[in-house]
Amino acid sequence: ETGVTQSPTHLIKTRGQQVTLRCSSQSGHNTVSWYQQALGQGPQFIFQYYREEENGRGNFPPRFSGLQFPNYSSELNVNALELDDSALYLCASSLEPNTGELFFGEGSRLTVL
Amino acid sequence: GESVGLHLPTLSVQEGDNSIINCAYSNSASDYFIWYKQESGKGPQFIIDIRSNMDKRQGQRVTVLLNKTVKHLSLQIAATQPGDSAVYFCAENISGGGADGLTFGKGTHLIIQP
Repeated sequence: ETGVTQSPTHLIKTRGQQVTLRCSSQSGHNTVSWYQQALGQGPQFIFQYYREEENGRGNFPPRFSGLQFPNYSSELNVNALELDDSALYLCASSLEPNTGELFFGEGSRLTVL
Repeated sequence: GESVGLHLPTLSVQEGDNSIINCAYSNSASDYFIWYKQESGKGPQFIIDIRSNMDKRQGQRVTVLLNKTVKHLSLQIAATQPGDSAVYFCAENISGGGADGLTFGKGTHLIIQP
């Protein structure tokens, strides 16, 4: 059984650029959630995908968007990058949407210059 | 501000002692609470959860206590080991997880002294 994997692990972008982060969920999990973790802070909920549809969203602007594919893998897209978008982006999969037992990947560290 | 917070940013304990990590929440509507452990360079790892209809739940070497009267949550780790060194987050949710996501606190860094 493979765990949650994310790519890339690190990347550097400049302001105004766009980025796509990828996540493969744990085998058997149909739900994916994305979180943003700034340095020294707890993770903040961006959105959740269930059965390829956005199932819930936190307080993030529309330039944060996502996709979930039939194999339950997922992408996070961020347009018009800002300096404050620099953070660790965590993907978490779960067996179903209404659980707090999330299985996190190791994250993608994004630096915006 | 965040509705979930921690009393202390850093906690240092001797190996073998018990650790108690505290958490306060302010949202009376929260009915589901979870503890996560995050080791350096890794994603958070689920430890234990508790729903608001309980005041205590035990796992392997860990106990979570919930006091709804004062909106306080604690995680007790028995016989602390070097592998317990990590940042510990409490998280809350209204109505059991899912579409609202989890609201995490800022975390407590647990340091184990040899």
